[in-house]
Amino acid sequence: GAVVSQHPSRVICKSGTSVKIECRSLDFQATTMFWYRQFPKQSLMLMATSNEGSKATYEQGVEKDKFLINHASLTLSTLTVTSAHPEDSSFYICSVTSGGAETQYFGPGTRLLVL
Amino acid sequence: DAKTTQPTSMDCAEGRAANLPCNHSTISGNEYVYWYRQIHSQGPQYIIHGLKNNETNEMASLIITEDRKSSTLILPHATLRDTAVYYCIVRESTGNQFYFGTGTSLTVIP
Repeated sequence: GAVVSQHPSRVICKSGTSVKIECRSLDFQATTMFWYRQFPKQSLMLMATSNEGSKATYEQGVEKDKFLINHASLTLSTLTVTSAHPEDSSFYICSVTSGGAETQYFGPGTRLLVL
Repeated sequence: DAKTTQPTSMDCAEGRAANLPCNHSTISGNEYVYWYRQIHSQGPQYIIHGLKNNETNEMASLIITEDRKSSTLILPHATLRDTAVYYCIVRESTGNQFYFGTGTSLTVIP
């Protein structure tokens, strides 16, 4: 399967600052990337679908101006949490898939703590 | 929204087969059944998927009932490292979103 990395693996920031999380597909041309959020003891919640070269599609209830997604190349997507607040503290996970492929491959996740 | 139901938790003795059930009674003809697992504080790991036929790989076997309304993931010889949350997901084949349910927390007991 595809190898997916995320950077950073964990980040602590102050309330009101912005945080950028990178998702890289290391050996796979990812035409589509997905971003998920997972709160403690809960399941993964899909936030948005990101297609290379086009605007992301956000799930209902996810603010696109707060969670900025850029998918500029087939190997990199970024999620920026703008003006982060403590309630944004969560585990953020990306996944990748290639056009025509059936399977999503997930990154290791980024743990965000907003103080 | 998740289209599957799974037991919240299960235990399995080390070395025994772990059989994890999943109900997906509203599955449509072009939807696949996928299984992933998530070990604590890691990203989900792909295990196996199938459409109609039973499938087997180096990790597990997937048994899908003839009416496709349920399936069972089988870990033939569970080890302590198989302790994880196991997610059963149904999805159309290409490019579409996964919606995770609550999964089954499997604990392998020494």
